[in-house]
Amino acid sequence: AQKITQTQPGMFVQEKEAVTLDCTYDTSDPSYGLFWYKQPSSGEMIFLIYQGSYDQQNATEGRYSLNFQKARKSANLVISASQLGDSAMYFCAMRGPLNRDDKIIFGKGTRLHILP
Amino acid sequence: DVKVTQSSRYLVKRTGEKVFLECVQDMDHENMFWYRQDPGLGLRLIYFSYDVKMKEKGDIPEGYSVSREKKERFSLILESASTNQTSMYLCASSRGGVARDTQYFGPGTRLTVL
Repeated sequence: AQKITQTQPGMFVQEKEAVTLDCTYDTSDPSYGLFWYKQPSSGEMIFLIYQGSYDQQNATEGRYSLNFQKARKSANLVISASQLGDSAMYFCAMRGPLNRDDKIIFGKGTRLHILP
Repeated sequence: DVKVTQSSRYLVKRTGEKVFLECVQDMDHENMFWYRQDPGLGLRLIYFSYDVKMKEKGDIPEGYSVSREKKERFSLILESASTNQTSMYLCASSRGGVARDTQYFGPGTRLTVL
């Protein structure tokens, strides 16, 4: 069975510092995809970044990068130069092989607070 | 831009009432999903649908049913609402078939059952 674990329920970080949000996963499938979403207080889930299990390089999207360590089954999100607007809930998620279904399973989330 | 809309942002119902939550997407997506989100539990899948009139149970289908009569619309039904169904409900859609394709989410409906 697939599983996503986020061990940090909450984090406080000073503005402009880099942030690392932890995510570990468990799956027996060789093909899978990993996602990170941001959920501000407004409630809408915003897609941030994707990493495929066969991707050779770590994914990057602007200030977001994914530290993908396949052997350790780890997919940490790194936010560089944090801003007040980064305060939100962050979810790590995983999708299995496409030939099975399109379901995504989510971790329990990490609430990030950026301090001025 | 993909747009997923949900019929209500906030809803208050009484125990025993039948509740309909509507979700509409405008991008001709094949797949649609209903989740509930509770503090400390993350998002849990209630039901999903791969096509019109097709539905499959997710992880927590008990107490819920769904309907997909048209491709763009996916409804979640609480036949007899109970207080333990007080939650945030999120609808999502996806094109399907592309590994890095994300699910697109609606703004959520915060349901309170009294």
